[in-house]
Amino acid sequence: GESVGLHLPTLSVQEGDNSIINCAYSNSASDYFIWYKQESGKGPQFIIDIRSNMDKRQGQRVTVLLNKTVKHLSLQIAATQPGDSAVYFCADFTGANSKLTFGKGITLSVRP
Amino acid sequence: AAGVIQSPRHLIKEKRETATLKCYPIPRHDTVYWYQQGPGQDPQFLISFYEKMQSDKGSIPDRFSAQQFSDYHSELNMSSLELGDSALYFCASSSRVTDTEAFFGQGTRLTVV
Repeated sequence: GESVGLHLPTLSVQEGDNSIINCAYSNSASDYFIWYKQESGKGPQFIIDIRSNMDKRQGQRVTVLLNKTVKHLSLQIAATQPGDSAVYFCADFTGANSKLTFGKGITLSVRP
Repeated sequence: AAGVIQSPRHLIKEKRETATLKCYPIPRHDTVYWYQQGPGQDPQFLISFYEKMQSDKGSIPDRFSAQQFSDYHSELNMSSLELGDSALYFCASSSRVTDTEAFFGQGTRLTVV
């Protein structure tokens, strides 16, 4: 079946370094892809999304890259801060049936 | 800006009881999603509604039902509760018309004892 999955369960980075979180997807029909951040006990928080017809999108300190050839999505966080520590999910969205599917979460831990 | 509102924030029920979770989407959002997230688990899609009609169905047990009302708020009804239903239940909303991304509420933590 269709799935969205992350390559690694945890990622530990030094404060100030750049973080890269990777995700693989299988649904070629997705309209766009989204990265969410979830802190303990809270709802997923939208970070950034990218439409399926784009290959890069930049936000504040974050960049999402989409490689449709290998069905790969990545989230880059520049100058990682302690407040970035959370679980990150990639998700794919298909508008025709309002389907939002989450991948496996990856925990980002920032070392001071 | 208005966000997705869920109520109650916390709920404790006994086995075999019934629970109703409510979700109030962002104004002018026409689509509502429900997710279940167990401890340390990923959010699992339950069901979604678009313009008050069921849009997609995921791993929602037959003991659960949901609907979206004329004012676009949604309710998730859970009957014959089991211990395994203890989880965070999230609601999200989006707009198909304006093609916005989905925003999530803070969730309802359901504990079944």
